[in-house]
Parts: sequence; C-alpha cells; structure tokens
Amino acid sequence: DAKTTQPTSMDCAEGRAANLPCNHSTISGNEYVYWYRQIHSQGPQYIIHGLKNNETNEMASLIITEDRKSSTLILPHATLRDTAVYYCIVKNTGKLIFGQGTTLQVKP
Amino acid sequence: SQTIHQWPATLVQPVGSPLSLECTVEGTSNPNLYWYRQAAGRGLQLLFYSVGIGQISSEVPQNLSASRPQDRQFILSSKKLLLSDSGFYLCAWSGGDSGNTIYFGEGSWLTVV
Repeated sequence: DAKTTQPTSMDCAEGRAANLPCNHSTISGNEYVYWYRQIHSQGPQYIIHGLKNNETNEMASLIITEDRKSSTLILPHATLRDTAVYYCIVKNTGKLIFGQGTTLQVKP
Repeated sequence: SQTIHQWPATLVQPVGSPLSLECTVEGTSNPNLYWYRQAAGRGLQLLFYSVGIGQISSEVPQNLSASRPQDRQFILSSKKLLLSDSGFYLCAWSGGDSGNTIYFGEGSWLTVV
C-alpha cells in the first residue's frame, strides 16, 4: 500500500472551512484514498473515500488531483467538535495502515 | 444495519495475568476482522486480521494471539500480560455492504499494572 504524507498539525477557526492536505505520490491505479478521524479516546471514525473523482457526503468533501498524487479533505464549516486527528490512508483491499495523521485544532 | 461491539471497555490487569478481549459484529456475514492497538501518544498499529473462521494473520511479533471461533467473533488473548501490553485496543471489520471500508468498535482500554 502507498505511503501518505500529512502535516503534523493545523489550526482552523470555528465556522471556517478546514482544508487538510495529503500527499500520496506513489499511489497505484487501483488504490483508494480513505480519510478517518480519531477523537481522543475513541475509535477511528470513517469520513469519506474516493478513487479518482471528487466526493462529497454529509461530513466532508474529498478533492483528488487529476494525477491522484495528492488530495484534500474539506470540512466546510468546522466546529469545535471537529477537533481530532485526521488520517489519510491509501489502500486497495485488506488492511488499513495508519500514519501519524494531522492534528486539527478548531479554535473559537 | 451493521454494528460492532467489543468488551470490556476498560480493564486493569496485573503483570503475568491472562487477557481476553472479545469483539462481535452483527448485521453482516463473512466479514474481515481486525485488531489494532494504540499505545499512549502513539499511532494505530495493526496486530491481527482475519478473512474467515480460523484464519488469522499476525502483523507484528508480540505477546498476544487472536482467534476467530465463529464467523462474526474475534478474540484477542494473552497468557501472561506484560507492562508493554498496556494500550487502547480496537476491533474493526470490513466486507459485505461496507465493501472495503473498515469500521471500528468503541475500543478497550487495557492497563497492565
């Protein structure tokens, strides 16, 4: 499975959009991009995933570049409850391998 | 809908004692099952995964073992706990209607004293 690179931490003002980047330059054609988040002391929560096209659901939007070497998770209106560690993972089938993720701090 | 449960939620065990954490999945059949561990302040590490009854793959050498006695039951065990076994243990599943998306349980906090 391809490796991902994310910034260690980011801040976002409450009510503003949070844009979390992820680099996955070695992604292969059949690997999906998955995003999870983990709020302290809880299990990781699935957010969204995509292959080539941009995706949107009730939680977030996922923008994948045309060459698929990077992506951005967008939380359109961040709230204090969105403070968490966000993980970007690329995989095909089988295992999820977690990196260190991005700690997003939403500030009032 | 599918649900995953694991227990106990919190456990304090002395060094050298045995361990059994249990996980069950409802609402799907033949899921892939996973055990992850998260040590304090660290990332999530995959310990075991299973694609079917009695089929267990171990990702890292350790003091723990896993078993899958039934299709939707996954058990994490140890015969003698070490201090380094302390951490947050997470069961997860994928397959069926979820496709390749993996969903996690609530987690179990283990403190070895």
